[in-house]
Amino acid sequence: GAVVSQHPSRVICKSGTSVKIECRSLDFQATTMFWYRQFPKKSLMLMATSNEGSKATYEQGVEKDKFLINHASLTLSTLTVTSAHPEDSSFYICSASRMERGPGSYTFGSGTRLTVV
Amino acid sequence: DAKTTQPTSMDCAEGRAANLPCNHSTISGNEYVYWYRQIHSQGPQYIIHGLKNNETNEMASLIITEDRKSSTLILPHATLRDTAVYYCIVKGSSNTGKLIFGQGTTLQVKP
Repeated sequence: GAVVSQHPSRVICKSGTSVKIECRSLDFQATTMFWYRQFPKKSLMLMATSNEGSKATYEQGVEKDKFLINHASLTLSTLTVTSAHPEDSSFYICSASRMERGPGSYTFGSGTRLTVV
Repeated sequence: DAKTTQPTSMDCAEGRAANLPCNHSTISGNEYVYWYRQIHSQGPQYIIHGLKNNETNEMASLIITEDRKSSTLILPHATLRDTAVYYCIVKGSSNTGKLIFGQGTTLQVKP
């Protein structure tokens, strides 16, 4: 089945530094990739949608200069949290949709727990 | 995309069927009903989706009412590992469209 690998699974960084999270579709080409964040006991909140070779589309209220998204290929998207602060601590999850399927399933990564100290 | 309404939480005895309802009264004709679940601290897992016919796979069954305004996800024999948050999402057929998550139903399967 479709597998999405997200790395790292956990990261702790100091305030002011940047962190990059990778999302790879291992056995399929992804038409579109999505980035979510999730606070404790809350639902997933969509941050942005990215398509290979084009700029990401950010949801309202998400700072595009803070959360840089690069979708370099049909199998890789990265999210960079720049100048991280403690309030950026969260669970970040990516998702990828398959190119050749119809209204089918989207596959999610296992998530990245970011802690900014 | 149409909004969905789900109960906040439900309990189910291990080995019994878990029936999770979802209301989507504003669903439009070309929108599908998707179900995902999220086990604690993991990414969401796809369960099943449907348009208007009932669907069944190895994980669950999806019953959609004739008017398509509501649906029920059925886990036929719930196990402790089915304890999770279950999300019902309504979305169009495009595989580039956004999946917007509501609050979901927290299902607690008890021994």
